[in-house]
Amino acid sequence: GENVEQHPSTLSVQEGDSAVIKCTYSDSASNYFPWYKQELGKGPQLIIDIRSNVGEKKDQRIAVTLNKTAKHFSLHITETQPEDSAVYFCAADLSGAGSYQLTFGKGTKLSVIP
Amino acid sequence: NAGVTQTPKFRVLKTGQSMTLLCAQDMNHEYMYWYRQDPGMGLRLIHYSVGEGTTAKGEVPDGYNVSRLKKQNFLLGLESAAPSQTSVYFCASSTGLATAEQYFGPGTRLTVT
Repeated sequence: GENVEQHPSTLSVQEGDSAVIKCTYSDSASNYFPWYKQELGKGPQLIIDIRSNVGEKKDQRIAVTLNKTAKHFSLHITETQPEDSAVYFCAADLSGAGSYQLTFGKGTKLSVIP
Repeated sequence: NAGVTQTPKFRVLKTGQSMTLLCAQDMNHEYMYWYRQDPGMGLRLIHYSVGEGTTAKGEVPDGYNVSRLKKQNFLLGLESAAPSQTSVYFCASSTGLATAEQYFGPGTRLTVT
């Protein structure tokens, strides 16, 4: 099955700096890679996703890049703000007919220091 | 439009007791999922359903059962709770396909003593 590794597990940045979280995956047939943000006491919420036919996708201050050859993808947050403090999860879809599953990384706790 | 709701929010069980967690969604989604979240382990899929009356095993199904009698509800049962099942449980739903956004509920914190 799919295995998703996520690094770092914790990340502290000064407000206004950039933050980068990286994930690698094992199944070369995976073609969908979402990122979820989980605020304290809440369920995860999708913030951005990318499909395998795209190398980069941007949405305001967040961007995701995908390198299918190397089987890794990254989340970039620019001009970080205190409200960006949360746990971020990457995920990849399981390949195979009839598969409806996402495999999640173990999460990165981002702290933005004012 | 409440989205995905979970009942209860908190529960404490003694080892060997049983309970059912209820998930409800009002978005007419076909697919529903149950995950558990443990510190440092991320989200792990327990069971999922691709439609009313269907269920399937995920990554960590042992010790849990599920039922999807109505499209809007997905129940997770623990027949004989164990301390290893202490966790935060999240339900999610989506329109279908692995590439569709999953909408998560607020979670249920379960402690088994």
